[in-house]
Amino acid sequence: SQQGEEDPQALSIQEGENATMNCSYKTSINNLQWYRQNSGRGLVHLILIRSNEREKHSGRLRVTLDTSKKSSSLLITASRAADTASYFCATDARGSEKLVFGKGTKLTVNP
Amino acid sequence: NAGVTQTPKFQVLKTGQSMTLQCAQDMNHNSMYWYRQDPGMGLRLIYYSASEGTTDKGEVPNGYNVSRLNKREFSLRLESAAPSQTSVYFCASSEALLHGTEAFFGQGTRLTVV
Repeated sequence: SQQGEEDPQALSIQEGENATMNCSYKTSINNLQWYRQNSGRGLVHLILIRSNEREKHSGRLRVTLDTSKKSSSLLITASRAADTASYFCATDARGSEKLVFGKGTKLTVNP
Repeated sequence: NAGVTQTPKFQVLKTGQSMTLQCAQDMNHNSMYWYRQDPGMGLRLIYYSASEGTTDKGEVPNGYNVSRLNKREFSLRLESAAPSQTSVYFCASSEALLHGTEAFFGQGTRLTVV
């Protein structure tokens, strides 16, 4: 079974609102990453958080990690129509180079 | 910079035919990956290679074989294609996840098996 599971599966918001996506995983990890995929394209890396970090920021992105709950959240603030895409979390199990993805959250930002 | 290059971009196969998907990266990365993406299933790991000369099974390896030809190239072979292998295939590479580095993706190969 897959390591990460995102929630919700789909999210629709208005431009200017914040979008929050959650990811849960099953085993101890080294790092957790978030990726974005525009329709029909390859994935693009957004942000990486290490297992010993609790929060990380990058521009309008804020990622939190709670290793006790095996969960992470991605917050996109002041969303734009251009943020419309699918977002995936990915984890690598401790001691492994195996990178496993969740099923993703499809975000739609309406202008 | 080319990054990760996959060929071909599109392919239609008949059931039972074989083909090889090619992937090459020019970033001197150690780790390489093959994923398939199906609607509603996210990306599922088929095989990965942590270094030249090593390969390991992922979540859905059945029906596939891989070759890490050298540090740059990681190919995925379908020996006898089945309609269930209709999917979009992505190759990715990473310097080393253990060092906390990101993965870079190719643009995908859209494969249809009829």
